[in-house]
Amino acid sequence: DTEVTQTPKHLVMGMTNKKSLKCEQHMGHRAMYWYKQKAKKPPELMFVYSYEKLSINESVPSRFSPECPNSSLLNLHLHALQPEDSALYLCASSRTGNYGYTFGSGTRLTVV
Amino acid sequence: TQLLEQSPQFLSIQEGENLTVYCNSSSVFSSLQWYRQEPGEGPVLLVTVVTGGEVKKLKRLTFQFGDARKDSSLHITAAQPGDTGLYLCAGEGGSGNTGKLIFGQGTTLQVKP
Repeated sequence: DTEVTQTPKHLVMGMTNKKSLKCEQHMGHRAMYWYKQKAKKPPELMFVYSYEKLSINESVPSRFSPECPNSSLLNLHLHALQPEDSALYLCASSRTGNYGYTFGSGTRLTVV
Repeated sequence: TQLLEQSPQFLSIQEGENLTVYCNSSSVFSSLQWYRQEPGEGPVLLVTVVTGGEVKKLKRLTFQFGDARKDSSLHITAAQPGDTGLYLCAGEGGSGNTGKLIFGQGTTLQVKP
């Protein structure tokens, strides 16, 4: 298995809703990432998990809450989002060393 | 702050033409990665270059890492419509394994048949 699987593929939520994005990989990668990508822009790093521990939080608002239940799973819990949070949310994983990242197909999030 | 300047931002060419995309920085990177992204999909890794002066070839794509590990280029020979997409360069921080991948602004390539 050489994939990062993200669900759901599309999500529409209201500003008062609570939802979660899920990411799964079975490549044995011990680093997992959440990125946010706006249209025609490069991905922006949000969070990094290394060996299931949060190692980097790029000053992301608390309405985004990451969770790493085990080495294969990564969640992003969403609460009280704003319309400007609408974007493509990408999960990625990597192994130690300069081997590049494997990205999932993303979740297209629309906040109404 | 490490920055990667990618150029050009947009490129529209005819099938069969050659092109080069550049990725430059004043900072040293432990590795440079190139990705290609289709609309609505995640970036797909094309190559990782690690050693200064390194050249890697992937069919019609040639990747170079500068001797000082501050810049990189992607050259496509005889471009085809299937090469259309967003090309992103990304650098891992100077000491490596930082978890912070810094992306260039991307090059949108359109290859017309």
